[in-house]
Amino acid sequence: AQSVTQLDSQVPVFEEAPVELRCNYSSSVSVYLFWYVQYPNQGLQLLLKYLSGSTLVESINGFEAEFNKSQTSFHLRKPSVHISDTAEYFCAVSENDYKLSFGAGTTVTVRA
Amino acid sequence: DGGITQSPKYLFRKEGQNVTLSCEQNLNHDAMYWYRQDPGQGLRLIYYSQIVNDFQKGDIAEGYSVSREKKESFPLTVTSAQKNPTAFYLCASSPTGVHGYTFGSGTRLTVV
Repeated sequence: AQSVTQLDSQVPVFEEAPVELRCNYSSSVSVYLFWYVQYPNQGLQLLLKYLSGSTLVESINGFEAEFNKSQTSFHLRKPSVHISDTAEYFCAVSENDYKLSFGAGTTVTVRA
Repeated sequence: DGGITQSPKYLFRKEGQNVTLSCEQNLNHDAMYWYRQDPGQGLRLIYYSQIVNDFQKGDIAEGYSVSREKKESFPLTVTSAQKNPTAFYLCASSPTGVHGYTFGSGTRLTVV
C-alpha cells in the first residue's frame, strides 16, 4: 500500500522569497502524484499532478513539482511567493486505482 | 458549472444524536469519497463508493454510515456511536481512471 510523508508541517516564508515543500512517498508499483492546496475553511483544490511523461509539472500560478523516481519524491517549489499563497498544501499518491493517500499537510505562512 | 455541493457548511449536533451530511455532484463522476480532517492529521478516508449501490469502508469507518442510491449523491451519517465527531468533513468525487479528485467546500460539524 502506498503512503506519503510531508517532511515539514509548517513553513514560514517572506513575500517574494522562494519556497520548497517536501514530499516523499513509498510504493512498490508505479504511482501517480498530486499536490492540492486548501485555503481556510474551504475544500481542497488540485494544484498540479504527475501522471506520466515529463517529470517536471507546472501549475498556472507559478508552482512546479518534479517527480524523482530514484528518490521517491515529488517536491513542490515556487521561486517567489505572494501573500495569497498562504494556505495548507497536501501531497497525495495513487497506485493503480482511483484512491488517493494524502500526506499530513504543510502549512505555508507568507509574511510581508 | 459542474461541481460538488456539500451542505450545510456548519452543523451543530447534540451528543447522542445522529446527523446526516449531504454531498451532491453533477460532474458525472463514478467514484465518491468522504474524508475527515482534523488539525495536524491530514485527511482520513471514512467511506468510498465506486459505483451506485456499492461502497467500501475506509480507514476510520466506525461510527459512520453511507448510502449510494444515486450516482449524484453520497450522504454521510454520523451516528451516536462516533465518539469524537467534531471535525471538518470533506466529500470528493473522481471519474474512472486516475485523474485526481474534485472536492466540495466541506462541512464543519461541532458537537455541543
